[in-house]
Amino acid sequence: DIQMTQSPSSLSASVGDRVTITCRASQDISNYLAWFQQKPGKAPKSLIYASSSLHSGVPSRFSGTASGTDFTLTISSLQPEDFATYYCQQYHSYPLTFGGGTKVEIK
Amino acid sequence: EVQLVESGGGLVQPGGSLRLSCAASGFTFSSYWMSWVRQAPGKGLEWVANIKDDGIEKYYVDSVRGRFTISRGNAENSLYLQMSSLRAEDTAVYYCARDVGEAVTDSWGQGTLVTVSS
Repeated sequence: DIQMTQSPSSLSASVGDRVTITCRASQDISNYLAWFQQKPGKAPKSLIYASSSLHSGVPSRFSGTASGTDFTLTISSLQPEDFATYYCQQYHSYPLTFGGGTKVEIK
Repeated sequence: EVQLVESGGGLVQPGGSLRLSCAASGFTFSSYWMSWVRQAPGKGLEWVANIKDDGIEKYYVDSVRGRFTISRGNAENSLYLQMSSLRAEDTAVYYCARDVGEAVTDSWGQGTLVTVSS
């Protein structure tokens, strides 16, 4: 199975900060990488697919990049509604696997 | 508007069975792959299974293969997950999800809680 390692597991940031979350795949997954946002007690929300393509309706402050087996989710200017847990997922091979999550908290 | 509404969760004893349903609306259900994803209390997301639009191809995570069966009724716009030989570690919120292409999830249901306990 492909292991997805996210870092950090949590971070504290302020409104307006630039936030970066990293996800590393244990083997080549090309660009078959998605990002999701989840708020407490709520269903996940799909943000990004194909490592850098935004789903419809996702604000442009969210962006994704890829470099080899390293993937990055960046929030350019953190907004109050962005405090949540973020997950990456590879969909290159079965079983599809998620990273462990990164909790973004208010500083 | 895409809507996915799960039902069928509840409390079940270890070794028991449960069938989850997901009612889909707002899109052409028969044209999409669909998935089940679960989340144990306080834990991260775990992909469980997915099924092709025509119901022919199905994939499972190893931990549920042979115990869970994903299926769909395109005429009823519904997705199902038949779960048997349930274990305590199957306790989770189970989410129904729509996939664009084979595995790009773009929409989620609100989830249904399955608790396996004696």
